[in-house]
Amino acid sequence: NAGVMQNPRHLVRRRGQEARLRCSPMKGHSHVYWYRQLPEEGLKFMVYLQKENIIDESGMPKERFSAEFPKEGPSILRIQQVVRGDSAAYFCASSLSRDRGEKLFFGSGTQLSVL
Amino acid sequence: TQLLEQSPQFLSIQEGENLTVYCNSSSVFSSLQWYRQEPGEGPVLLVTVVTGGEVKKLKRLTFQFGDARKDSSLHITAAQTGDTGLYLCAGALGFGNEKLTFGTGTRLTIIP
Repeated sequence: NAGVMQNPRHLVRRRGQEARLRCSPMKGHSHVYWYRQLPEEGLKFMVYLQKENIIDESGMPKERFSAEFPKEGPSILRIQQVVRGDSAAYFCASSLSRDRGEKLFFGSGTQLSVL
Repeated sequence: TQLLEQSPQFLSIQEGENLTVYCNSSSVFSSLQWYRQEPGEGPVLLVTVVTGGEVKKLKRLTFQFGDARKDSSLHITAAQTGDTGLYLCAGALGFGNEKLTFGTGTRLTIIP
């Protein structure tokens, strides 16, 4: 049973370009969460999605950032017109349900570097 | 505002010694999780505690959730070099797993 798969592992973009980060949850998991880890800071919640629905996007910047989790295929975190401050590690996690105590599995992350 | 404060931020001890790391907050959490993160990898869940006062053991690791569900501790007995890593606590304010608040972590180094 493969774990949470994120790709690419490393992504380099120039300022103004678009970044697309992909996350395939564990098999059978329909709950996906995106977190961002800035250098020397802790992980910060961005968005929580359940198949085809955004449940909570309170941690996501209002502009340039969007997320989706279509019926088929991976979850996508999209950052338009990237800026240097977007450079960070982006982690995706998935779970079987949203119940308290339900185990959360994290992927290995995508390291985004904006030049 | 950092809701979860972890201490110490860095800890280096000799192999075989015991240690405790702390996770403190002024907020009440419905559950609290401890993770370990290796460089270049995502966090891996160690344990989840949900009841105030709860104690869970995982081999040489003992986790405790404070009675008021505002704080937690991780105690390691007879530390081994394999315990080296970044330890993160994360609290859930709601009833579910979504929107975890992570602490900034304790970077533990075990010296052989």
